[in-house]
Amino acid sequence: QKEVEQDPGPLSVPEGAIVSLNCTYSNSAFQYFMWYRQYSRKGPELLMYTYSSGNKEDGRFTAQVDKSSKYISLFIRDSQPSDSATYLCAMGGGNKLTFGTGTQLKVEL
Amino acid sequence: EPEVTQTPSHQVTQMGQEVILRCVPISNHLYFYWYRQILGQKVEFLVSFYNNEISEKSEIFDDQFSVERPDGSNFTLKIRSTKLEDSAMYFCASSEWGVNYGYTFGSGTRLTVV
Repeated sequence: QKEVEQDPGPLSVPEGAIVSLNCTYSNSAFQYFMWYRQYSRKGPELLMYTYSSGNKEDGRFTAQVDKSSKYISLFIRDSQPSDSATYLCAMGGGNKLTFGTGTQLKVEL
Repeated sequence: EPEVTQTPSHQVTQMGQEVILRCVPISNHLYFYWYRQILGQKVEFLVSFYNNEISEKSEIFDDQFSVERPDGSNFTLKIRSTKLEDSAMYFCASSEWGVNYGYTFGSGTRLTVV
């Protein structure tokens, strides 16, 4: 079983839709949970981080962590064409992050 | 907004040659990292560096790899004898507080080994 599993997509939604992105993980040692956005041929950009179960909101983005189910989600409200990118979940413990494979999102006009 | 700067943006090298990838982390950051991403694959951890020493390294980071902070601003990754399978995007990252608050990544160096 992979440490972090993420559906690669692609996921295509109309502008204004609510987007739900998800990851599951198997390593109980993970303590920190993050979402990064990556545009083509660019470095990952940190969107959200959290270290506890529950929800964290920042503007149009909500990160959700369920440690008991080893499941994390990112919700994007009122999605915009500029949100089109690859979204990476990442989980930390110790000195490193373990990334998912990324979900490619396209928001269409 | 402060950023992590990486040079060069693209490097082509012959198999067996040595390459040095350079990074200038954000000035008040204390934790430094190298990750790589082979085309179409996930971002993979290589090494973390704190207080002038390696704090953790992955299985990928074998004897052909080394890191150095030669002065107060640069952080380098050296690959001694490049192989075709080293072709990837290499990302430098830095953090003020460590892994728990996430990192700031640079834009990467695309390394092509021919």
